Amino acid sequence: GENVEQHPSTLSVQEGDSAVIKCTYSDSASNYFPWYKQELGKRPQLIIDIRSNVGEKKDQRIAVTLNKTAKHFSLHITETQPEDSAVYFCAASMGTNAGKSTFGDGTTLTVKP
Amino acid sequence: NAGVTQTPKFQVLKTGQSMTLQCAQDMNHEYMSWYRQDPGMGLRLIHYSVGAGITDQGEVPNGYNVSRSTTEDFPLRLLSAAPSQTSVYFCASSSRTGGFDQPQHFGDGTRLSIL
Repeated sequence: GENVEQHPSTLSVQEGDSAVIKCTYSDSASNYFPWYKQELGKRPQLIIDIRSNVGEKKDQRIAVTLNKTAKHFSLHITETQPEDSAVYFCAASMGTNAGKSTFGDGTTLTVKP
Repeated sequence: NAGVTQTPKFQVLKTGQSMTLQCAQDMNHEYMSWYRQDPGMGLRLIHYSVGAGITDQGEVPNGYNVSRSTTEDFPLRLLSAAPSQTSVYFCASSSRTGGFDQPQHFGDGTRLSIL
C-alpha cells in the first residue's frame, strides 16, 4: 500500500520567516495530495491541495509543489504569523481508492512572535 | 449544512465494554472513513466505505466493526474495548470528481478513554 513520510516532525520559525514541510510518497499511482491544518483540539481542515496534473499551486501565503518523478511534494508558508502555529498533515490518495487517504505523521509548526 | 457530525464528543469506557461511535454527513458524499489519531502518529485509517452497503478495512481494523446502511450514516463499533483503543477518533467524508478524490471533510472527533 501507499506510504507517506513527512519531515520535519517539528519546526520552529520566527514570525515573518518562511516554513517548508516536505512529504514523500511511495505509490506512483497516487494523484491527489492534500494538506490539512489541525489546531490543538480541533478537526483537521484542508488548507491547500494539488493534483498530479499540476506542478505548483498557490493561495496567498501558502503554496504547494509536486515533483511526480521524485514522488515528493512540499508545503511552503511565507510571512508566517503566530496563528499559523498548528500541526500540518500531508496526505496522498488515488482516484481509484475512493477517498482512502494515507497521511503523514504530521509536522508541529511553532511561529514565535 | 452541518457537514460531518460525530457523537459523542467524549466517552470513558471500561475494558471489555462495547459501544458505537456515531457519524453522519449531510453532503451526500459517497465516501466515508474512520481514522484514529494517537499522539505523534498522525491519522490511521480504520475502515472506509465507498457507498451504502459497501465497506472495507483500512490500516488498523482489528477490534472495530462498521456498517453503512445509508449514504448519510457510518457508525463505528468497538466490540470489546481495550486500553490500546484509547484515542481520538475522526470520521471523514468526501466525494470524487473527474477521476480525482476531493478533499475530506472531518467531524469534530470523539475522545475515547478506555480504563
